Amino acid sequence: GENVEQHPSTLSVQEGDSAVIKCTYSDSASNYFPWYKQELGKGPQLIIDIRSNVGEKKDQRIAVTLNKTAKHFSLHITETQPEDSAVYFCAASSPFSGGYNKLIFGAGTRLAVHP
Amino acid sequence: EAGVAQSPRYKIIEKRQSVAFWCNPISGHATLYWYQQILGQGPKLLIQFQNNGVVDDSQLPKDRFSAERLKGVDSTLKIQPAKLEDSAVYLCASSLGRGRPTYNEQFFGPGTRLTVL
Repeated sequence: GENVEQHPSTLSVQEGDSAVIKCTYSDSASNYFPWYKQELGKGPQLIIDIRSNVGEKKDQRIAVTLNKTAKHFSLHITETQPEDSAVYFCAASSPFSGGYNKLIFGAGTRLAVHP
Repeated sequence: EAGVAQSPRYKIIEKRQSVAFWCNPISGHATLYWYQQILGQGPKLLIQFQNNGVVDDSQLPKDRFSAERLKGVDSTLKIQPAKLEDSAVYLCASSLGRGRPTYNEQFFGPGTRLTVL
């Protein structure tokens, strides 16, 4: 079945450094790739997403890149701040019958930003 | 705009007991999802509704889990009887619905943390 692998599982950086999280997916029909941030005791919050017709997207300190040929996508956070500390999940949207899609999530990356 | 509401936030039960979770999606969102998130893992889709119809329940353990969305708005997820391995956070999410430009975007509620003893 569909699968999304995410690396690394934990990431520790100094404030101001950059952080990169990478994901690979198995379903070549996937066409939508969101990234979620989950803080303790809260539900996942969408922070950025990219569709299959775009190679890169930026939103202030956050950027996502997509390589459809290699079936991998990455999240880049620049100038990290302590409030960026959370668990980050990548996901790939797999289409199924009836024109619907379902999200397959990676296992998550725990990011710690140290002051 | 109000977000996705879920209740209760926490629930502790004994194995073999039953439990129910409630979700109220964002107003106007046609698609509703229930996910199970086991500690240290990503969310796993259990069931997806489009209005009041089920479009995917392939990952729902139907011998013990059931869900409904009778009027196409609120939804309940039930577990009966619960097992130890059902301990997890149960997340509800909603999206605008098929056919809309941004229908893929899912918005999550805070979740219900279930502990089965």
